[in-house]
This record gives sequence, structure tokens and C-alpha cells, in this order.
Amino acid sequence: GAVVSQHPSRVICKSGTSVKIECRSLDFQATTMFWYRQFPKQSLMLMATSNEGSKATYEQGVEKDKFLINHASLTLSTLTVTSAHPEDSSFYICSAMTSGGISQQYFGPGTRLTVT
Amino acid sequence: GEDVEQSLFLSVREGDSSVINCTYTDSSSTYLYWYKQEPGAGLQLLTYIFSNMDMKQDQRLTVLLNKKDKHLSLRIADTQTGDSAIYFCAEWANQAGTALIFGKGTTLSVSS
Repeated sequence: GAVVSQHPSRVICKSGTSVKIECRSLDFQATTMFWYRQFPKQSLMLMATSNEGSKATYEQGVEKDKFLINHASLTLSTLTVTSAHPEDSSFYICSAMTSGGISQQYFGPGTRLTVT
Repeated sequence: GEDVEQSLFLSVREGDSSVINCTYTDSSSTYLYWYKQEPGAGLQLLTYIFSNMDMKQDQRLTVLLNKKDKHLSLRIADTQTGDSAIYFCAEWANQAGTALIFGKGTTLSVSS
């Protein structure tokens, strides 16, 4: 089956620094990638939708200058958390969608970000 | 807006059946999904059902959809300790574009 990887799986950074998370579709081309955030014991919250070669569409309440998304190729999207603060600590999950539509959406394993 | 509701916890004994329930609000939902998340891991798609279906069975999993009541359930037969996880119900709501709308997840605890 289709595989989506995320790197790193865990990252600890100091407050004020930036951290980049990569999301890769390993064996298929992803026309669209999604970034979700999950707080402990809570649901996934969609942060943004990114299409290859165009600017990401951010959900209401998500700061686009803080969460920079780059979808440079059909197999790679990156999320950069800039000037991270402890409240940004969370589990970030990406998913990639093939051209087959929503039923072919594959999730990455997630990245646990801890900001100290 | 769209909303998906689930009960937060379910505790069962090994060998029993588990039934996880979900309600949604968007009547135009085309697909409804069940995902499993084990501790520290990403989501794993368990099964999905198209909105014109009432039931779908896949080995130990049975999905029932009551479109009139906007109610979705996932039944796990012969529940095992390895089934302990968080189960998310999700819907694809056309009005929201192509993103999934998730419930808060139901934590299933299986005791031996």
C-alpha cells in the first residue's frame, strides 16, 4: 500500500527557534497534502491544505506566518514552525492524497514536537 | 458547520464485541471513515463506507450507517488486547472542500 513518511518522528527544540517537519509520499505522487495538529486526547484539527506548486490554504485561526508550508514537489511537503513556543508543542500529522480522490488519502506516522 | 461526535471512552473484556458510535451533522457527506491510532503513532485507515450503503463488513469489523439519523457505528467482533487504541470517525463533507472532518476519538480499552 501507499506509504507516507514524516521526519523527524520526534523533535525537541528551544523556545524561539524554528523547526522543519518533512512529509513524503514514498511510492506515489500526491497532488494534495494536508497538515493536521492533534492536541492530547483531542481530535485532529486541519491546519492547512497544500497543493504542489501553489500556496497553501490555511484554516481559519491558523497563522500562516508561523506555520510555513512548502509543497515543492509531488512527493514532498514541509511544515516549518517558526519562533516556536511551548504552546506549539503538539503532534503534527500529514496526509497525502492521490488523484483518486478522498478515498485514497494516506496518513503519515506523525511528528511529536516539544518546545521547551 | 460540520460536526462529528463520538463518546470518549469504551472499556470491554477480551473476546467481547465492541461497538463504537459516531454521529455527524453534514447530510451531504459522501464517505465516512474509521481510523485507528495506536499510542504515539499516526492514523491507520480501518475501513470506510460510501453514503449509499447501509452496512459494510470486513473480517472482524462491521460498519453500520443510518443515514436518516446520521449515525455511524463500528463493531469489532472478538475484541483483542491489540485492538486497544483510539478510534476516530471522520466524514468527508463537500462544503469543507476535500479535507476530512474528524471526531474527537474514542479510546477503546481492552482488558484480559
